[in-house]
Amino acid sequence: GESVGLHLPTLSVQEGDNSIINCAYSNSASDYFIWYKQESGKGPQFIIDIRSNMDKRQGQRVTVLLNKTVKHLSLQIAATQPGDSAVYFCAEKASGGSYIPTFGRGTSLIVHP
Amino acid sequence: DGGITQSPKYLFRKEGQNVTLSCEQNLNHDAMYWYRQDPGQGLRLIYYSQIVNDFQKGDIAEGYSVSREKKESFPLTVTSAQKNPTAFYLCASSMTRGENIQYFGAGTRLSVL
Repeated sequence: GESVGLHLPTLSVQEGDNSIINCAYSNSASDYFIWYKQESGKGPQFIIDIRSNMDKRQGQRVTVLLNKTVKHLSLQIAATQPGDSAVYFCAEKASGGSYIPTFGRGTSLIVHP
Repeated sequence: DGGITQSPKYLFRKEGQNVTLSCEQNLNHDAMYWYRQDPGQGLRLIYYSQIVNDFQKGDIAEGYSVSREKKESFPLTVTSAQKNPTAFYLCASSMTRGENIQYFGAGTRLSVL
C-alpha cells in the first residue's frame, strides 16, 4: 500500500469513538480552509471547507471548527468507522494572494474495529 | 464518469532517463496542477496551468517540465536533472484558477531502478 502515512502524526481510535484532527496554520491572512481525506494509494478527496467569517461548519458526520485567534483548525468526525482510516490534510488559502492552497503535513487516522 | 485519470499507476525510471506521467481530465476544468508527495510531508506544488498553452512554475519545478496543449491534458515529464525523483505524484484540477476546491487523480508512484 501507499506509504504516505509513515512519519506523520497519528491518531488511533476505536470504532464508534469521535475523532478530532487538528491543524495549525501560520498565515494570519488565510481566509479559506479545506479538509481533504487521502486513503492509501489514492488521491486526496474533498471533505469540507470553511471561510474565515465562520467559526463552525457541519457536514455529514464531520464538523470543522476554526479559531482564528490562535490560528487553529480542527476536523471532528463523529462515530468513527474503519472506512475513515486515512490521512487527513488541511489546506489554507488567502484571498489576494496566490490562488493555490497551501497544504499541511497531514495526520494519519487509524480506526480499530 | 467525470474525473481525473493518471497513468501509469506505477512507473520506474532508469538512471539518466526522462519519463512522462500522464494526467487527463474530462471535468472541463481550466486549471490543472502537479504535486509531489513524499512520506511525512504535505503536497508540494511542481507546476500549474491556469489555461491552455499557459503554465507556471510551482515551489519545486527544477528537474520537471510540463505542457498544456489541450484543456484536458497536462503531462509531467520528470527529467534526468531531477536527482531524487522517487515520490508519489498527484495531478489535480479546478474549475477555474480561483476555484478553491481541487479534484485529484489517483496518483502515480515513481521509483528509480
